[in-house]
Amino acid sequence: GESVGLHLPTLSVQEGDNSIINCAYSNSASDYFIWYKQESGKGPQFIIDIRSNMDKRQGQRVTVLLNKTVKHLSLQIAATQPGDSAVYFCAENRGNTGKLIFGQGTTLQVKP
Amino acid sequence: GAVVSQHPSRVICKSGTSVKIECRSLDFQATTMFWYRQFPKQSLMLMATSNEGSKATYEQGVEKDKFLINHASLTLSTLTVTSAHPEDSSFYICSARSGGINEQFFGPGTRLTVL
Repeated sequence: GESVGLHLPTLSVQEGDNSIINCAYSNSASDYFIWYKQESGKGPQFIIDIRSNMDKRQGQRVTVLLNKTVKHLSLQIAATQPGDSAVYFCAENRGNTGKLIFGQGTTLQVKP
Repeated sequence: GAVVSQHPSRVICKSGTSVKIECRSLDFQATTMFWYRQFPKQSLMLMATSNEGSKATYEQGVEKDKFLINHASLTLSTLTVTSAHPEDSSFYICSARSGGINEQFFGPGTRLTVL
């Protein structure tokens, strides 16, 4: 079935390094993508989003890249900090229903 | 930013009882609210979509008679888990959006434990 998935379940990085979290999606009709951060026992927190008419969007220390040709999404975190440790989910919005389809999640561990 | 609250944050109940979880949008009117369930170490799974004043739309495999959703106002949606069983133990998260805006604002979640 259609899904949004992540390539790696766990990513461990050294504090100060850059992190790259990847996501693959299968529905070419999806037009809006979001990255969320979820800390243990809490709800998802919005990080950054991108629409399908863009291929790159930058925020504070984060960049999202969208490659529609290969249906791939990535989240880059610059100068990763211990506070960035969490589970990161990509989510795919399909049309005007507003439904979000979440990927499986990547756990980011930042080593001091 | 927009704030969504959930109540209670944690609930423990006996098997066979019903539990109601509230989701409120505190500073905006939520025309649509979504309910998700998340098991440990897993992703969020959409259970249902709720539009104010109309019946909820349930995802495939979600029992509408077991998970009763009410969206009676633009700031409140409730999820009632009826005749709860241990397998219903999970983290329930709601989200809300306003009008045609794509962005959803998530609540902090409710941890349900059924003994």
